[in-house]
Amino acid sequence: AQKITQTQPGMFVQEKEAVTLDCTYDTSDPSYGLFWYKQPSSGEMIFLIYQGSYDQQNATEGRYSLNFQKARKSANLVISASQLGDSAMYFCAMKEPQGAQKLVFGQGTRLTINP
Amino acid sequence: ETGVTQTPRHLVMGMTNKKSLKCEQHLGHNAMYWYKQSAKKPLELMFVYNFKEQTENNSVPSRFSPECPNSSHLFLHLHTLQPEDSALYLCASSQDRQGINNEQFFGPGTRLTVL
Repeated sequence: AQKITQTQPGMFVQEKEAVTLDCTYDTSDPSYGLFWYKQPSSGEMIFLIYQGSYDQQNATEGRYSLNFQKARKSANLVISASQLGDSAMYFCAMKEPQGAQKLVFGQGTRLTINP
Repeated sequence: ETGVTQTPRHLVMGMTNKKSLKCEQHLGHNAMYWYKQSAKKPLELMFVYNFKEQTENNSVPSRFSPECPNSSHLFLHLHTLQPEDSALYLCASSQDRQGINNEQFFGPGTRLTVL
């Protein structure tokens, strides 16, 4: 069964608008970590933000915030005031304690910011 | 050099060739990883090394042979590859393999084409 699902293959957003990238996950473990990575055309995966399953508040990191809804098993990434440089692939990933070294990635969403 | 570096950035090889990919991390981390990223597929974990010891081999064919001489360097030796092995190979490192909140830092990847 797929553990991480990103249902939006592609998103097109106007510059300066906010954008939400969807991510749902599947786990029976109460302890897990959720990550978002950005991959520009250069190929490098850039860590953006982390949310722990026991964290009381939604994670925020500059223009990035994570809309964590535990009961729905969703961890959507919100990018505020989008910029042209935000155009990239975005991956949601999860890590569980029993496979603590293993990050399981979703298929990714290609975000394009239009001027 | 900072972060995680990978060489070469691009590699074209024939099916009978032997080549090696190199990864070096300058972050003082103890765990290193090889991932394969094929078109339209999620990132696939290939190998994990923790304190130079291999802790995970994700059912990778023997034509891929990893080597980790120390915590800063990781190699992927390639021989008799197939065209379907063409992909972006990403190296990553993290503080150690334990802990669900240890984010992984990625290198820029090696774009491999097998003819």
